[in-house]
Amino acid sequence: SQQGEEDPQALSIQEGENATMNCSYKTSINNLQWYRQNSGRGLVHLILIRSNEREKHSGRLRVTLDTSKKSSSLLITASRAADTASYFCATGCYNTNAGKSTFGDGTTLTVKP
Amino acid sequence: GAGVSQSPSNKVTEKGKDVELRCDPISGHTALYWYRQSLGQGLEFLIYFQGNSAPDKSGLPSDRFSAERTGGSVSTLTIQRTQQEDSAVYLCASSDISGRGYTEAFFGQGTRLTVV
Repeated sequence: SQQGEEDPQALSIQEGENATMNCSYKTSINNLQWYRQNSGRGLVHLILIRSNEREKHSGRLRVTLDTSKKSSSLLITASRAADTASYFCATGCYNTNAGKSTFGDGTTLTVKP
Repeated sequence: GAGVSQSPSNKVTEKGKDVELRCDPISGHTALYWYRQSLGQGLEFLIYFQGNSAPDKSGLPSDRFSAERTGGSVSTLTIQRTQQEDSAVYLCASSDISGRGYTEAFFGQGTRLTVV
């Protein structure tokens, strides 16, 4: 079963508005990552937040992590049409025997010009 | 190389034929992952390599699927006797490891497999 689950599944907003996507997970993690995917091909890493961090910024992106609630949010401020894409969260739980990121099904964001 | 490279970019094959998908990870990356993504769906984990060994093969959907990695670098995903339900984009990713654990994963552009 998928570890990360994004919410909502689809989001449609006007250019200039903020977009917020949420991710919930089930087990303990070392870090949580957000990725973006255009046109169903390769994913591009956006930001990684470690389990001991609560908030992280990168340009127009703001990610929060609440380990007590096992949830994270991705905020895109002042959205642009070019932000239209699918966004995935992935949880990393790395140890010596098993290290992989487990992805959710993604949030499809549409930004209307 | 500069990024993760996958080949072929697109593959159309007849049902029942075998296919091999190749992944060249970023040089020096310890971990290599294979995922499968059906149209409009999320990523389905297939297999993970740490060096040349695969500690987690739990995602391989059937014994028709196998993967290997040699020299801690190139990996090949093989699908035998392909079925139409195998049609999907197969994504490969690699990541490094630092003193604080694995870094983010870098993805290739994927191989779009179509079984007709």
